[in-house]
Amino acid sequence: AQSVTQPDIHITVSEGASLELRCNYSYGATPYLFWYVQSPGQGLQLLLKYFSGDTLVQGIKGFEAEFKRSQSSFNLRKPSVHWSDAAEYFCAVGRISSGSARQLTFGSGTQLTVLP
Amino acid sequence: GAGVSQSPRYKVAKRGQDVALRCDPISGHVSLFWYQQALGQGPEFLTYFQNEAQLDKSGLPSDRFFAERPEGSVSTLKIQRTQQEDSAVYLCASSLRPTNEKLFFGSGTQLSVL
Repeated sequence: AQSVTQPDIHITVSEGASLELRCNYSYGATPYLFWYVQSPGQGLQLLLKYFSGDTLVQGIKGFEAEFKRSQSSFNLRKPSVHWSDAAEYFCAVGRISSGSARQLTFGSGTQLTVLP
Repeated sequence: GAGVSQSPRYKVAKRGQDVALRCDPISGHVSLFWYQQALGQGPEFLTYFQNEAQLDKSGLPSDRFFAERPEGSVSTLKIQRTQQEDSAVYLCASSLRPTNEKLFFGSGTQLSVL
């Protein structure tokens, strides 16, 4: 069975600083990997996804993530954090479910606080 | 609609009550998922519909949980005889096609069982 570990429960950074959120996955085949962001009272929003090809993927809001098969990692990065990035971030691995749908397994999330 | 709509936004139930949570996906979306998100945790898969067919219900925690999507659009998640451990946010998500990887999530229903 697949699993996702986000080792950092809470991260605090200053506005303008760089950010890296860690994600490690366990999956028997080539993984489908995702990063979602959840703001208070909002639904989860897809930041980026990796299926194959270039291991560095670009997403929305200036985020990027790098897939490293040897380390089973898919860390999320942003060069300069904005106050509006404060939210909870979830890494997820997808597997093919019935009817070819992608069933997601989420990590427990990393809460990001941005200091002015 | 413009997005996935869930109602009610908040639900307080006494232990033993039955509750029904509604999800209105984006019009035309074939795939619909229900997830349960406990406090401080990531969402956990409950069940999946493709149109009106419930293709995967492996995540439903007990036979007290039941979901339906009779006409392939609106879905209802019903929890019978609620227990305190059912307290969580219930998220609904939809996608245009089963192989479409972009899921659109609703804001969820926060269920509190007293």
